[in-house]
Amino acid sequence: GIQVEQSPPDLILQEGANSTLRCNFSDSVNNLQWFHQNPWGQLINLFYIPSGTKQNGRLSATTVATERYSLLYISSSQTTDSGVYFCAVGAYSGGGADGLTFGKGTHLIIQP
Amino acid sequence: KAGVTQTPRYLIKTRGQQVTLSCSPISGHRSVSWYQQTPGQGLQFLFEYFSETQRNKGNFPGRFSGRQFSNSRSEMNVSTLELGDSALYLCASSTGTPGGKLFFGSGTQLSVL
Repeated sequence: GIQVEQSPPDLILQEGANSTLRCNFSDSVNNLQWFHQNPWGQLINLFYIPSGTKQNGRLSATTVATERYSLLYISSSQTTDSGVYFCAVGAYSGGGADGLTFGKGTHLIIQP
Repeated sequence: KAGVTQTPRYLIKTRGQQVTLSCSPISGHRSVSWYQQTPGQGLQFLFEYFSETQRNKGNFPGRFSGRQFSNSRSEMNVSTLELGDSALYLCASSTGTPGGKLFFGSGTQLSVL
């Protein structure tokens, strides 16, 4: 199956800092999503981005499908950005969507 | 629009028992997927239902099963519980078409004693 590696595994930053989270995957995918899991366990969908670049406020993401990686950028970090960020990949085929394969996540702590 | 609703939020069971978890997707969404999250294995795909049919299945034993009703609500059942089944079980809702984002519920935390 597809392997997903996320880096760094842990990241501690001061409020206001910028960060870049990376996701490498081992095979071609046509489904890539980024999620944020808050300290209460809720998974929030940030982006659906199998290729290209998207922006949503202070967050942006870029996927280079041909090189099998995706980047999540967080600018001007706030304490509410703390949590675990997951990259998940999968593929759609004639039989519908395969289940997403999740990376192990990047644990981000933003200190005030 | 209401989000994905999972019940119950917490469950405590003993080994050998069975358990049923419930998930109501976002209105209009026809696909429901289930995931297991543990500290050791992370997030793993269990299965996906679309229009009352299991469309995809992960690599879990047959003790894990599910179903979907005509209103798209889904239930997941685990029989003969083992200690290793202790986990956060997450349900995700989507339109079921390519390009559909997954929206997760808050999960059911299952503890097996």
